[in-house]
Amino acid sequence: GENVEQHPSTLSVQEGDSAVIKCTYSDSASNYFPWYKQELGKRPQLIIDIRSNVGEKKDQRIAVTLNKTAKHFSLHITETQPEDSAVYFCAATYSGGGADGLTFGKGTHLIIQP
Amino acid sequence: DTGVSQDPRHKITKRGQNVTFRCDPISEHNRLYWYRQTLGQGPEFLTYFQNEAQLEKSRLLSDRFSAERPKGSFSTLEIQRTEQGDSAMYLCASSAPGTGDYGYTFGSGTRLTVV
Repeated sequence: GENVEQHPSTLSVQEGDSAVIKCTYSDSASNYFPWYKQELGKRPQLIIDIRSNVGEKKDQRIAVTLNKTAKHFSLHITETQPEDSAVYFCAATYSGGGADGLTFGKGTHLIIQP
Repeated sequence: DTGVSQDPRHKITKRGQNVTFRCDPISEHNRLYWYRQTLGQGPEFLTYFQNEAQLEKSRLLSDRFSAERPKGSFSTLEIQRTEQGDSAMYLCASSAPGTGDYGYTFGSGTRLTVV
């Protein structure tokens, strides 16, 4: 089955700086890679996703890059703000006709220092 | 209906008792998923339904766990003979990949504590 590794487990950055979270996956058949943000005591929320036919996707301050050859993908947050503080999870799956069972990483606790 | 609803939000039960959780997905979503999340970990996949059909089950889903989605709308997850290791947040999510949107919408979860 799929195995997703996520690094770092904790990331502290100064407000306004950029943050990068990296994930690797094991199953070369995986083709759908979402990122979720989870604030303390709340539900995970999808913030951005990418499919394997695309190498990069951007949405305002958030971008995701995918390297299928190396089987890794990364989340980039620019101009970080206090409200970006949360736990971020990457995930991967093979999506034949839709999103099937996702395998999640263990999460990165992002701390934005004022 | 603007989101995924789960009931109850919290459940405390004694070891050995049976518990049942309910999930109401977004009405137009045909896929429904159950995940389990323990403190400091990512969600772990348990099972998913497309309409009323249960299409995939994780090895984590022991024979004490059963899930149903009888009419393709709401779903229930039952845990029989609960054990302390079952204590976790049980998350439900739904999606509508047929629309081209593959993202999940998660519910707020049911936090189970087995004492």
